[in-house]
Amino acid sequence: ETGVTQSPTHLIKTRGQQVTLRCSSQSGHNTVSWYQQALGQGPQFIFQYYREEENGRGNFPPRFSGLQFPNYSSELNVNALELDDSALYLCASSLQGSDYEQYFGPGTRLTVT
Amino acid sequence: KNQVEQSPQSLIILEGKNCTLQCNYTVSPFSNLRWYKQDTGRGPVSLTIMTFSENTKSNGRYTATLDADTKQSSLHITASQLSDSASYICVVSAEGNNRLAFGKGNQVVVIP
Repeated sequence: ETGVTQSPTHLIKTRGQQVTLRCSSQSGHNTVSWYQQALGQGPQFIFQYYREEENGRGNFPPRFSGLQFPNYSSELNVNALELDDSALYLCASSLQGSDYEQYFGPGTRLTVT
Repeated sequence: KNQVEQSPQSLIILEGKNCTLQCNYTVSPFSNLRWYKQDTGRGPVSLTIMTFSENTKSNGRYTATLDADTKQSSLHITASQLSDSASYICVVSAEGNNRLAFGKGNQVVVIP
């Protein structure tokens, strides 16, 4: 186990709804990165938070947003859910950005119907 | 075009046999290359991480190699076990860039 936790483990939502996913980083890590992984694909970078500020963003629309809290835990919010948002959402924590080892959580499986 | 290409996409091997997975990348400037093991529906778990100056690194029955000149890496699994059935993902980090480039993974199935 990496010490990174995510909640919930599974979630089913309806198209158009909003969802919030949560991630607790490993103790001492100040950076959290979020990824979307469709079935059979590698993870796609959504964004990264470093010391509560967004520190880079991938090719995702503004309806994907996030937060990082003073204890370095993080949230991923997705508005106006679409069917294609169905995926495994992974968070990874690290020290000071992606150049350091990233430790992944177990993921949240989101199904949009 | 994906900056990290892995081959084969999938393979089936007999328990006890060896296999080698390939990763080619175009990421530049190169910082480090990582191999992760991902069980179905779970988060990836780090196996090895190699910088420019390292050309081989082992973690138990897993041995990774890196040729930074040809931008190729391989992951060799020795004496495979049923628990090795997973997706193996090659991830490359560019210097000064906080984004990681992920391959699609090599899906390995070990059968008795």
